[in-house]
Amino acid sequence: SQQGEEDPQALSIQEGENATMNCSYKTSINNLQWYRQNSGRGLVHLILIRSNEREKHSGRLRVTLDTSKKSSSLLITASRAADTASYFCATDQTGANSKLTFGKGITLSVRP
Amino acid sequence: AAGVIQSPRHLIKEKRETATLKCYPIPRHDTVYWYQQGPGQDPQFLISFYEKMQSDKGSIPDRFSAQQFSDYHSELNMSSLELGDSALYFCASSPRRGTEAFFGQGTRLTVV
Repeated sequence: SQQGEEDPQALSIQEGENATMNCSYKTSINNLQWYRQNSGRGLVHLILIRSNEREKHSGRLRVTLDTSKKSSSLLITASRAADTASYFCATDQTGANSKLTFGKGITLSVRP
Repeated sequence: AAGVIQSPRHLIKEKRETATLKCYPIPRHDTVYWYQQGPGQDPQFLISFYEKMQSDKGSIPDRFSAQQFSDYHSELNMSSLELGDSALYFCASSPRRGTEAFFGQGTRLTVV
């Protein structure tokens, strides 16, 4: 079954609101990463949180990790229309050498 | 700063033909990944290399092969192409395995 399931699958908010996206995974991990992708473009790395970390911030981004629940959340504060994109979580699994496993993306639409 | 370069950006092939996709990772990155992303799908891990040696293998068909050369560029070779191979193919590199991945803009392969 899929590693890194995101929810919701789609999210539509007004500019200025906060957006929260969740991700669950199934195996032990070394770290969990969030990426964004504009339509048909390459993925852009946003933030990485290690398995021994619980929360991390980067600008308007806040990511949490709960390894006991095997879940993570990405919060984008004060959203902008330019944040409109698909967001993916990806896990670096324990025991894998060089492999990032992506979950299904969340499509975020920020209305101006 | 230099990013991951992929070529070609677009490729149209007929069924049963072969295709070669090229990737030039960021200098001094030790890990290269290849991903396949179908329309509306999450990126599927194909294969990775660490210091020019094959590291992990994902859901890569036997018709596909990849290698990394002495100059660190990598090629994904795809033979006996099928309609279902139509997708975006991404290459990514990491400065150290298990860290953030930097993605190229992808090659859009269309098999007709």
